[in-house]
Amino acid sequence: DADVTQTPRNRITKTGKRIMLECSQTKGHDRMYWYRQDPGLGLRLIYYSFDVKDINKGEISDGYSVSRQAQAKFSLSLESAIPNQTALYFCATSDDRVANYGYTFGSGTRLTVV
Amino acid sequence: DAKTTQPPSMDCAEGRAANLPCNHSTISGNEYVYWYRQIHSQGPQYIIHGLKNNETNEMASLIITEDRKSSTLILPHATLRDTAVYYCIVRVGGGATNKLIFGTGTLLAVQP
Repeated sequence: DADVTQTPRNRITKTGKRIMLECSQTKGHDRMYWYRQDPGLGLRLIYYSFDVKDINKGEISDGYSVSRQAQAKFSLSLESAIPNQTALYFCATSDDRVANYGYTFGSGTRLTVV
Repeated sequence: DAKTTQPPSMDCAEGRAANLPCNHSTISGNEYVYWYRQIHSQGPQYIIHGLKNNETNEMASLIITEDRKSSTLILPHATLRDTAVYYCIVRVGGGATNKLIFGTGTLLAVQP
């Protein structure tokens, strides 16, 4: 099984619908992140969480919300999806207690809003 | 905003060394240089990181200039599977609250 699992892998939804993207990890990391990627661009940070009780906005949090249900689970919600939220979404984890180790990313969720 | 500058694309012949440059002229003394790569819409993959000394692992080597204002990622024997977008990122190291901020990276195309 993958260390960081994202579900669903692909989703098509209609404008105005609420949708939740889920992320779970088996690495035991405290820190989790949600990024989005648009074609030809790098990843942009949406939200991040350094532990279960900690939630922080990233660069582009408008239109999104998150929930950290447990150390291993971090969900991203689009309350009312709009077409410009069509993108590739990645979840990542890190354990910064261990000096300078890198992030581990999931395989991504491709979301299309029509 | 990303604190690094990379060429948008590069080509490399299969079997040859791929040298990917990165400028980070405003890097602070406590910031590390990280390299990640992303193969065709997969999740980014950590490659290597360093502070001021050159580093080598099973994937690549990282050469950081003495003034730390630039670095080069070296893939010693590029294969077709190394075709990917390579991201150079500067970030304060472990325990910090800084996040990974991605730029647009370098698309490395390994040619047969």
